[in-house]
Amino acid sequence: DIQMTQSPSSLSASVGDRVTITCRASQSVSDYISWYQQMPGKAPKLLIYGASTLHSGVPSRFSGSGSGTDFFLTISGLQPEDFATYYCQETYSSPFSFGPGTNLEIK
Amino acid sequence: QVQLQQWGAALLKPSETLSLTCAAYGGSLSGFSCNWLRQPPGKGLEWIGQVDHRGVSTYNSSLKSRVSISRHTSANQIFLNVRSVTAADTALYFCAGHWPRVTPSGGFHPWGQGTPVTVSS
Repeated sequence: DIQMTQSPSSLSASVGDRVTITCRASQSVSDYISWYQQMPGKAPKLLIYGASTLHSGVPSRFSGSGSGTDFFLTISGLQPEDFATYYCQETYSSPFSFGPGTNLEIK
Repeated sequence: QVQLQQWGAALLKPSETLSLTCAAYGGSLSGFSCNWLRQPPGKGLEWIGQVDHRGVSTYNSSLKSRVSISRHTSANQIFLNVRSVTAADTALYFCAGHWPRVTPSGGFHPWGQGTPVTVSS
């Protein structure tokens, strides 16, 4: 199975900041990486798929990059509604593993 | 646009069977795969398994011996059963769609609203 790691596990930032979350796969997954935002008790929301393609309706301040094993989610100009937990996921092969999550908190 | 709605029993006793249903509506289901996932309290997301557009099911090896996922195509419903539950199966359960034939590197969207399941004696 492919193992996914994320860093940092938690992050404090202020409204207007630019932040980057890193996701690493234990083997190459090409561009089969998605990023999700999750609020407590709610279903995750798809932000990015194919490593860099913005899902419909997602604000352009979210962007994704990377290929192979190393991937990045960047949020430029944090808004109050962006403080949440973020997960990466590989859809290259089952069991479609998720990273452990990054909790983005208000500083 | 396809939406997913899910339901099922929320409180189970150890050794019982967890049964959840996910209904898809509002759009074309051509090429649609339905996944089941879960999230224990305070923890991350775990993929349980999926049934693809052909009706073929695939499971996470960590649960494979206790899980079955099936679909009733004409009713656009997908079913999850987990046998012999224990407290470790307590979690928020989600169904989520995937269109790998349309977008091979696509993510999971949409998601059901989630069903909290508690296993307790």
